[in-house]
Amino acid sequence: EAGVAQSPRYKIIEKRQSVAFWCNPISGHATLYWYQQILGQGPKLLIQFQNNGVVDDSQLPKDRFSAERLKGVDSTLKIQPAKLEDSAVYLCASSSVPGQVPYEQYFGPGTRLTVT
Amino acid sequence: QKEVEQDPGPLSVPEGAIVSLNCTYSNSAFQYFMWYRQYSRKGPELLMYTYSSGNKEDGRFTAQVDKSSKYISLFIRDSQPSDSATYLCAAPAGGTSYGKLTFGQGTILTVHP
Repeated sequence: EAGVAQSPRYKIIEKRQSVAFWCNPISGHATLYWYQQILGQGPKLLIQFQNNGVVDDSQLPKDRFSAERLKGVDSTLKIQPAKLEDSAVYLCASSSVPGQVPYEQYFGPGTRLTVT
Repeated sequence: QKEVEQDPGPLSVPEGAIVSLNCTYSNSAFQYFMWYRQYSRKGPELLMYTYSSGNKEDGRFTAQVDKSSKYISLFIRDSQPSDSATYLCAAPAGGTSYGKLTFGQGTILTVHP
């Protein structure tokens, strides 16, 4: 079974520029999550999709971040314009059935973003 | 107050040592508790989970939950250099069915030969 794919793996941009990250979840997984992991901290949920609908985006800074999941498969997370504090690893995760015990989420390798 | 707080470490132990990793939580609605392991430059992977209070053992790993004190622990016996990683405790939002996870900040563990 192929894992969660993310690209690019690394990205360096200047502040005020825009950037986009791509995620392809495990085949058949209906739920997709984007997390932000700042150095030295645990992942923080930014947005959660169930198929192509948004379940939770309460912690997404909507003035600069946007995400979509067209056709309920792969997803794109965009930041525009980027700030220095957006430097972090952006993790994508997927799970097969919402609420299925033990709530196992499968994570991709992440995209490491550096904003200078 | 963060919903899940974790001893930040870092921890450095010799091979063969017993390791204790600890978290506390504040949300009484949490029912499941999970430990994820994250190797450098990788995404987290589920190591173990427990439900409610009690112990759960899996090989060299034991997860323990004390709901009365809102305390979560992970013990690693006979630690190996391959156990060197960041360990994250987490709890899903039990009030929903969608598995939103709240993570602790992680503890970096180094096991040296």
